[in-house]
Amino acid sequence: AQTVTQSQPEMSVQEAETVTLSCTYDTSESDYYLFWYKQPPSRQMILVIRQEAYKQQNATENRFSVNFQKAAKSFSLKISDSQLGDAAMYFCASEGGSEKLVFGKGTKLTVNP
Amino acid sequence: KAGVTQTPRYLIKTRGQQVTLSCSPISGHRSVSWYQQTPGQGLQFLFEYFSETQRNKGNFPGRFSGRQFSNSRSEMNVSTLELGDSALYLCASSSSGLETYEQYFGPGTRLTVT
Repeated sequence: AQTVTQSQPEMSVQEAETVTLSCTYDTSESDYYLFWYKQPPSRQMILVIRQEAYKQQNATENRFSVNFQKAAKSFSLKISDSQLGDAAMYFCASEGGSEKLVFGKGTKLTVNP
Repeated sequence: KAGVTQTPRYLIKTRGQQVTLSCSPISGHRSVSWYQQTPGQGLQFLFEYFSETQRNKGNFPGRFSGRQFSNSRSEMNVSTLELGDSALYLCASSSSGLETYEQYFGPGTRLTVT
């Protein structure tokens, strides 16, 4: 079965600083997608960024970027210039084939003013 | 374009009862997936419907079922509720289901079983 592991249950960062959230995964698929979702206290799950495994280049979306290490099955999220609105639960997920999205347990990010 | 909507947003039921949750996907989307979110188990895939047919199913007991209508709206039903069914139920829609990266989530239905 596919698994996604987020080893940091909680993280905190000062406003305007940079923070990196870690994620490792295990999959037998040769081609797959990886995602970071954000779930603020309002509970609406929002897609932050996605990475196609066959692409070497790390995905970037404004202040959000990933460090994708395919051989190590690592997929970390870097948030630059952190803002108060970035405070949320962050979930790493992999495309699980017949299981659709397989999620990690999440990392709660606190942004301190 | 309106987002994914779920009704009701909150629900309280008693053990042994059954419950039906509804999900309306983004207009034009034909795939609807359901997920259960609990503090202990995290987010787990329940099932996916595409063009009124269940296409994928997660590892949940038969008490959990669903269906999809011709307008792509989906319902999930849980029969004989147990305390452990208390959770946030999320649905997500995508245009065809093949492009998982295009999944858009609804706000969820918070189910409490007493």
